[in-house]
Amino acid sequence: EPEVTQTPSHQVTQMGQEVILRCVPISNHLYFYWYRQILGQKVEFLVSFYNNEISEKSEIFDDQFSVERPDGSNFTLKIRSTKLEDSAMYFCASSESSAHNEKLFFGSGTQLSVL
Amino acid sequence: DAKTTQPNSMESNEEEPVHLPCNHSTISGTDYIHWYRQLPSQGPEYVIHGLTSNVNNRMASLAIAEDRKSSTLILHRATLRDAAVYYCILRDVTASGTYKYIFGTGTRLKVLA
Repeated sequence: EPEVTQTPSHQVTQMGQEVILRCVPISNHLYFYWYRQILGQKVEFLVSFYNNEISEKSEIFDDQFSVERPDGSNFTLKIRSTKLEDSAMYFCASSESSAHNEKLFFGSGTQLSVL
Repeated sequence: DAKTTQPNSMESNEEEPVHLPCNHSTISGTDYIHWYRQLPSQGPEYVIHGLTSNVNNRMASLAIAEDRKSSTLILHRATLRDAAVYYCILRDVTASGTYKYIFGTGTRLKVLA
């Protein structure tokens, strides 16, 4: 079965540094998402992306966050100046459409640790 | 906020059926009921979804109440590999007309050998 690929699996960074988390969605999918999960907490929606623009973003997704689909295959999440509280597992997801019965496919995640 | 309510945790013995309940009293007529699960240290994965009729696939069955205000995910024979957090989700329609999944706290299923 096709899968969503995320790299790196682990990222350690110093507070204040920029990080870019990378995702390769399933090739024929058109809708892309980032979620995050702080250790022991719920999976939280960050942002959805369609047709090269953000469709929806949560309160978490402030000016420090940005997303991009630079080359038609990768989908990236950038955090400009990381904070300690950005430490979490970040999941990328994609879907073929936004139909009522559409399935979301998730990657295995990138564990971000901000020191 | 999540539109569903689930028990925080459940236990099952291996090889026995498991019934995971979910309440969604505010469901609208066009909402599909989606179930995902998250195995330890992995991303969520799709399990099953349905609208009105009961649904079966290779992973599980979904029983939907006649009034659609509740549903039950059924694992017919739980295995140790089914130990996970199970999420029952109704999608939110965003301001732009697209959809997003809002995860609640889910039900943590423990399977006993």
